[in-house]
Amino acid sequence: AQSVTQLDSQVPVFEEAPVELRCNYSSSVSVYLFWYVQYPNQGLQLLLKYLSGSTLVKGINGFEAEFNKSQTSFHLRKPSVHISDTAEYFCAVRGSNDYKLSFGAGTTVTVRA
Amino acid sequence: DVKVTQSSRYLVKRTGEKVFLECVQDMDHENMFWYRQDPGLGLRLIYFSYDVKMKEKGDIPEGYSVSREKKERFSLILESASTNQTSMYLCASIPSGSGHNEQFFGPGTRLTVL
Repeated sequence: AQSVTQLDSQVPVFEEAPVELRCNYSSSVSVYLFWYVQYPNQGLQLLLKYLSGSTLVKGINGFEAEFNKSQTSFHLRKPSVHISDTAEYFCAVRGSNDYKLSFGAGTTVTVRA
Repeated sequence: DVKVTQSSRYLVKRTGEKVFLECVQDMDHENMFWYRQDPGLGLRLIYFSYDVKMKEKGDIPEGYSVSREKKERFSLILESASTNQTSMYLCASIPSGSGHNEQFFGPGTRLTVL
């Protein structure tokens, strides 16, 4: 079984500032890692995913994440946020031989002008 | 584009009612999932199905059941709704096989049980 810990429940940030959302996971098997975003009153949308290969993955809307196997982390970053990035962000993991996802508790990002 | 639809965006029911939440996907995916989303808890897996007529319990199946009579449709059933089942319910699907990696989500149904 896998589990995910998102270390920050709320992250307030000013427009054009950088943001980092922290995610740690645990698993006894090799994993696939995901970040999803949920804008207000909408469903979940995939931001990016790590399957294998390069540990730095780039996603939509200028987001990127780095997989660190030794630290079992998959932190999400954006160098300069916009008001429209205000949303809830979920880190998720699944075993590479399974289809079930385990989610973190979510991080609410509020971008202020 | 993959489309996952859920029968209602908002639903209000009374305690003790039987509630059906429907999910339909149009891309012939084998695997379907029901989650509930609560503030501070993220998404938790209720039930999933790897094929027609198949169902398996997730992490929080108590008080719920499911039905998968057709490949494209996965129904979540609250046999006797209770106030602690007030939540956002999300359906997702993913095809089997390598190269298919992310789940596709529906828009969600916000259920209120009074």
